[in-house]
Amino acid sequence: QQQVKQSPQSLIVQKGGISIINCAYENTAFDYFPWYQQFPGKGPALLIAIRPDVSEKKEGRFTISFNKSAKQFSLHIMDSQPGDSATYFCAAQMDSSYKLIFGSGTRLLVRP
Amino acid sequence: EAGVTQFPSHSVIEKGQTVTLRCDPISGHDNLYWYRRVMGKEIKFLLHFVKESKQDESGMPNNRFLAERTGGTYSTLKVQPAELEDSGVYFCASSQAGVRGEQFFGPGTRLTVL
Repeated sequence: QQQVKQSPQSLIVQKGGISIINCAYENTAFDYFPWYQQFPGKGPALLIAIRPDVSEKKEGRFTISFNKSAKQFSLHIMDSQPGDSATYFCAAQMDSSYKLIFGSGTRLLVRP
Repeated sequence: EAGVTQFPSHSVIEKGQTVTLRCDPISGHDNLYWYRRVMGKEIKFLLHFVKESKQDESGMPNNRFLAERTGGTYSTLKVQPAELEDSGVYFCASSQAGVRGEQFFGPGTRLTVL
């Protein structure tokens, strides 16, 4: 049983477009929601994270939108660039634990 | 500052053999984690060390997996005997003491069991 469901599995976007990746969760004990970016041959690296007391967080071209009532959160990449081509993982962490629970990942390809 | 390092980067072994993976966390990080990603699926938590103590090993799949963290520094993950379903990428991550947020990941060890 997957606790964090991520979609789509893969995504192709033209340069300059908006990339949107969605995640949904069930456990209301989650209190930290990070997004990790992974390039081939590298480990995942924290991109941006949010806590449930805010509905949106923006860092440069990357924005997390958080809907607590719907138990959904999404990553928006504005003005997508070929260099953004990578695998993106959403994750969640419970207030009583250190472990990260990941979604299944989204392979993003940004075409020039 | 050096990041998390893992050795080897790739390992190919026969079913029934033993493999030991090593992780060197970022210096000074008390928290060390092991995760695994099986082909195309989610990254799954295996266990969490605080210094040399196992804090949470709820994700360890079975007793063929043994993790150690000698002296609270580097960690090893031994699989004995390896089975086909153990194939995947094993990630190690570390974080500072008392920090529940960002975890820093190593590049992973790709394990293939034939």
